[in-house]
Amino acid sequence: AQSVSQHNHHVILSEAASLELGCNYSYGGTVNLFWYVQYPGQHLQLLLKYFSGDPLVKGIKGFEAEFIKSKFSFNLRKPSVQWSDTAEYFCAVNALSSDMRFGAGTRLTVKP
Amino acid sequence: GAVVSQHPSWVICKSGTSVKIECRSLDFQATTMFWYRQFPKQSLMLMATSNEGSKATYEQGVEKDKFLINHASLTLSTLTVTSAHPEDSSFYICSAVDRGNYGYTFGSGTRLTVV
Repeated sequence: AQSVSQHNHHVILSEAASLELGCNYSYGGTVNLFWYVQYPGQHLQLLLKYFSGDPLVKGIKGFEAEFIKSKFSFNLRKPSVQWSDTAEYFCAVNALSSDMRFGAGTRLTVKP
Repeated sequence: GAVVSQHPSWVICKSGTSVKIECRSLDFQATTMFWYRQFPKQSLMLMATSNEGSKATYEQGVEKDKFLINHASLTLSTLTVTSAHPEDSSFYICSAVDRGNYGYTFGSGTRLTVV
């Protein structure tokens, strides 16, 4: 069955630490990939997306993600996190023949 | 973990009819639920924010008379697409906020096709 896996349920970092959140999917064929962030009390915001082209995608707020097709992965990275990055992060995958599916989410807590 | 059940997962209806989509939190209380819509090859678009016991807050450009949202209890929010037209065909997904620990959980989505 098609699925999206986020490896970490809860990540705790200190400010200025580097971040990498894992995302793997099990779709075959062409996919569109997304990372969303949801701050407390707010709706989803799109961080970045990959449809085609350069597999290293840069998004808002200093986030980037790399699509590695051979590993079915789309990990999110940020070189130096801030306290304001505390939020929940969702990876989502949208195959051309199916609807969007979300990972379970990773809660990021950044200690000041 | 928290589970959100969204029903139906897919529905086909005739133009002019109404369709109700349910979003139910199974093991937690959700004071807030969000309804999104995804257009082909695009990211999600927030339609409305639904708070238990009060009127939903709609995003600009979303017709509140067409997309009726009811959040009558802490475990259920419904989206009713009234007088559906083919352009309403889309993928609709909800998410619910667990007020206990602010975690968000998504439903599995509803594929609506209006013919």
